[in-house]
Amino acid sequence: DGGITQSPKYLFRKEGQNVTLSCEQNLNHDAMYWYRQDPGQGLRLIYYSQIVNDFQKGDIAEGYSVSREKKESFPLTVTSAQKNPTAFYLCASSRGPNTEAFFGQGTRLTVV
Amino acid sequence: GQQLNQSPQSMFIQEGEDVSMNCTSSSIFNTWLWYKQDPGEGPVLLIALYKAGELTSNGRLTAQFGITRKDSFLNISASIPSDVGIYFCAGVYSGAGSYQLTFGKGTKLSVIP
Repeated sequence: DGGITQSPKYLFRKEGQNVTLSCEQNLNHDAMYWYRQDPGQGLRLIYYSQIVNDFQKGDIAEGYSVSREKKESFPLTVTSAQKNPTAFYLCASSRGPNTEAFFGQGTRLTVV
Repeated sequence: GQQLNQSPQSMFIQEGEDVSMNCTSSSIFNTWLWYKQDPGEGPVLLIALYKAGELTSNGRLTAQFGITRKDSFLNISASIPSDVGIYFCAGVYSGAGSYQLTFGKGTKLSVIP
């Protein structure tokens, strides 16, 4: 099936540890995005990438890092510098400018 | 970043009623998107709008791209219990070699059977 796969669905980490969230797409999309969603809140952009080996900071990039070594993959690392990392993380992809984005199922990260 | 104002924040309606929600912005967008999110899941695309003035339907859903390119609305006719969820609007802007998706904060819809 074509689509976007995020893994794992649920993730628990101890405070102070870095953690990497996976996002893979087989839609041949150029652009990929990471969003954070807090309870009762909208989606806030963390990072986005328009093309392989290039990415840009979104509105809340502090404490996060990404890489885009392959077109299909856009992993997000939540570092220990992120002060409040517990949230629902959503990955999306789109063909390019002015085109619709499609989302993965999300990863719920809980830091204890 | 660009801001989208989505209203209302929440709605409680009787099954069978029609629903209307909208998004406005001070910025122009090239594309408007409407999504539905069920609890614990990723948003699912409902309707995409590409031209100012465009009116598009998807079953009981109808959405329009405002003439000014700064607003959009979504209507749901004859609501049913499975319409429950959070509806998000999103604007796509591309220019000067970059583009972004900007989301509204969502409209939480509750349907009373």
